[in-house]
Amino acid sequence: AQSVTQLDSQVPVFEEAPVELRCNYSSSVSVYLFWYVQYPNQGLQLLLKYLSGSTLVKGINGFEAEFNKSQTSFHLRKPSVHISDTAEYFCAVILGRNRDDKIIFGKGTRLHILP
Amino acid sequence: DTGVSQDPRHKITKRGQNVTFRCDPISEHNRLYWYRQTLGQGPEFLTYFQNEAQLEKSRLLSDRFSAERPKGSFSTLEIQRTEQGDSAMYLCASTRSSYNEQFFGPGTRLTVL
Repeated sequence: AQSVTQLDSQVPVFEEAPVELRCNYSSSVSVYLFWYVQYPNQGLQLLLKYLSGSTLVKGINGFEAEFNKSQTSFHLRKPSVHISDTAEYFCAVILGRNRDDKIIFGKGTRLHILP
Repeated sequence: DTGVSQDPRHKITKRGQNVTFRCDPISEHNRLYWYRQTLGQGPEFLTYFQNEAQLEKSRLLSDRFSAERPKGSFSTLEIQRTEQGDSAMYLCASTRSSYNEQFFGPGTRLTVL
């Protein structure tokens, strides 16, 4: 069963426009939620994470995400994108109690920034 | 550089050959993970170690795959009798127990001809 669903495989957006990358998860247990970014020919880098507490999480490079338990979503947003944001973005989840357990990734969303 | 390193970065091999990849985690990180990423997909968990003990293996890890972490530091992932379907990016990550962020290496891209 798919635990993480990223609804959009590709998202084109004009430079300086806002963007939202959607992520839904399926779990009846506690979750820890993450967004990772992968630039071309590079490894994964953590953008932000939700462990507990405030549902609005701020990350690096101006990104933020909101944990919505009722909608089981963790959408990623940025108010104004830059050409350097061109990358693949992965939503991910750790299920259960242990924060150091394996990560389950979504299939990724490729963000295309249009000039 | 104190990040996770992987070697080689690229490997091209012929079907049926054996290959071995190495991962050096961040020092003091006692957990080490291997993931596989195919084109158009997110990374998929393969296996992980706590120190030298291999604690979990995915169903994706067939009998042709073996991973070791003999001294609880670096790890190797070996694929025997490679198949074209093994072509993928193999990612390594490390963390400290009970920590909440896995740090990823740059990956090893395997191409099986």
